Amino acid sequence: ETGVTQTPRHLVMGMTNKKSLKCEQHLGHNAMYWYKQSAKKPLELMFVYSLEERVENNSVPSRFSPECPNSSHLFLHLHTLQPEDSALYLCASSQDSLIHEQFFGPGTRLTVL
Amino acid sequence: GENVEQHPSTLSVQEGDSAVIKCTYSDSASNYFPWYKQELGKRPQLIIDIRSNVGEKKDQRIAVTLNKTAKHFSLHITETQPEDSAVYFCAASRRAAGNKLTFGGGTRVLVKP
Repeated sequence: ETGVTQTPRHLVMGMTNKKSLKCEQHLGHNAMYWYKQSAKKPLELMFVYSLEERVENNSVPSRFSPECPNSSHLFLHLHTLQPEDSALYLCASSQDSLIHEQFFGPGTRLTVL
Repeated sequence: GENVEQHPSTLSVQEGDSAVIKCTYSDSASNYFPWYKQELGKRPQLIIDIRSNVGEKKDQRIAVTLNKTAKHFSLHITETQPEDSAVYFCAASRRAAGNKLTFGGGTRVLVKP
């Protein structure tokens, strides 16, 4: 099984709540990613971190705030979300931010009420 | 930025037949093209990838072809089996953009026994 884990697996929150998604990789990789997967839409890259530095913010609203305290952990802090933010949020990691296979976590299914 | 179109969105084949999924990309500088398979309720997993310095790559029943001039690439699955039923995503990236993958919209493949 892949070495990328995500918690929680399911999350239901109100629009005024604050919650965080957690991702951890046990592969010794140096790059980590957040993706959003909505029904009937392509996987959307949200953020890229390389060696704990954010190298990509793909025009994501500020109500999503990433944090990468070290190369093994990645968080996505959520606040004042909208119902249209309901989706599967996938974390991935790769050896580095050059062209390498990305290994995905199982995702967090987020529902915003 | 890069734009990746994927067709068809759904594909139903009889077990044993072949399946072909096609993707086009817009950025002529893209040079890495992975294919991911996502089974129902599971995480996306890389099944094959191709770089721009080759035109074709094969791994058992799966092959990918790349036409750089026309900016399209295709996934070929031969002798399909029920376990090939899944959603398949193509993606493209270029080295200068780091490992920022732009995904196609996905193809839901159903293999009928």
